[in-house]
Amino acid sequence: DVKVTQSSRYLVKRTGEKVFLECVQDMDHENMFWYRQDPGLGLRLIYFSYDVKMKEKGDIPEGYSVSREKKERFSLILESASTNQTSMYLCASSPMGAGRTYEQYFGPGTRLTVT
Amino acid sequence: AQKITQTQPGMFVQEKEAVTLDCTYDTSDPSYGLFWYKQPSSGEMIFLIYQGSYDQQNATEGRYSLNFQKARKSANLVISASQLGDSAMYFCAMREPYNQGGKLIFGQGTELSVKP
Repeated sequence: DVKVTQSSRYLVKRTGEKVFLECVQDMDHENMFWYRQDPGLGLRLIYFSYDVKMKEKGDIPEGYSVSREKKERFSLILESASTNQTSMYLCASSPMGAGRTYEQYFGPGTRLTVT
Repeated sequence: AQKITQTQPGMFVQEKEAVTLDCTYDTSDPSYGLFWYKQPSSGEMIFLIYQGSYDQQNATEGRYSLNFQKARKSANLVISASQLGDSAMYFCAMREPYNQGGKLIFGQGTELSVKP
């Protein structure tokens, strides 16, 4: 079974802190994604990566950066956390390609609260 | 630009009855994929069903079926014989063509509550 793990289920940080959210997948997937989920807005893509050291901006990249130094690990960084970044963060991975078999597999999510 | 719309923020259904969750999409690309995911209160996203834009038949996976009406750009999820464990958030998503990045675009979600 594909497994995507995230470093924390719950995280509380103070405004201005630098925050790292880690995601690791164990299926050698090329693609990795970071989403944030807010009530009434669904999931919105922050950043994604097709390969090691490659990154692409999603729909809402402002205030975030990412790092992918190894294929299995994709990190989301909040350089200076703000209260409007309080949200649920979901990581996903998928193999490269189209069709049903290239679905995205999600981690359990990290609920981040910035106070 | 691609867009997914779920117009039902919340739905109620009686246990053992069928329920339809609406999803409409907008794209000018002929090649796309449509997904439904379930998110229980635990937070994990669970894949339910997939429909490719060129698939001739509606997708089915156990109690889940997808009512795909291409001309109307709708991809409604039908859950038959609802169970209490079906209570969850449900998200419709569209995958962009692979040559455009293959990203998923999600709808706002529908919260389904199954009543005993």
